[in-house]
Amino acid sequence: EAQVTQNPRYLITVTGKKLTVTCSQNMNHEYMSWYRQDPGLGLRQIYYSMNVEVTDKGDVPEGYKVSRKEKRNFPLILESPSPNQTSLYFCASSLAGQGSSYEQYFGPGTRLTVT
Amino acid sequence: KQEVTQIPAALSVPEGENLVLNCSFTDSAIYNLQWFRQDPGKGLTSLLLIQSSQREQTSGRLNASLDKSSGRSTLYIAASQPGDSATYLCAVDTGNQFYFGTGTSLTVIP
Repeated sequence: EAQVTQNPRYLITVTGKKLTVTCSQNMNHEYMSWYRQDPGLGLRQIYYSMNVEVTDKGDVPEGYKVSRKEKRNFPLILESPSPNQTSLYFCASSLAGQGSSYEQYFGPGTRLTVT
Repeated sequence: KQEVTQIPAALSVPEGENLVLNCSFTDSAIYNLQWFRQDPGKGLTSLLLIQSSQREQTSGRLNASLDKSSGRSTLYIAASQPGDSATYLCAVDTGNQFYFGTGTSLTVIP
């Protein structure tokens, strides 16, 4: 089954404790992206990757890191999480990215709480 | 910066009614617009993608239109069903980034 998977689905952590949210897709998509969703603000793009070893900042990259060492994986790293990073996070993938007119496929989301 | 607005934020209709969801954007320089459905506890599911050169797209009971010059898109749902209850999001692709609206929460009452 074609899908985007994220782990963990739920995470509660404390300020400053480094964490990684994994994202994997099995559709051989070139493009992957991370979003956060907050009430009243909609989804905002954090980082995206057009291909292996190519990453770029989205609208709200501060406090996040990403890497794309393999086509199928695109982990999101919070080196020193803070309470304002409490949010619902989504990973997405597509055959190609912005300007390509290919649909995006989304993972189920990771609900992160930073206390 | 592109801004995407969806009005109303919430909508409740009786089963069987036809309905229209609205999406507006401030900058008409877009590549495409995509409509998604979001169910609680699940990710977004793509419903329709309209390229900038197209006026509308149809899938089953869903029809999406795009008027790029006026910065508007509508999602028409025919003969609504309780299973259509979800949050509907629109997103525009500017070529550099994707911008999402905050969504319309739809409840279809049996």
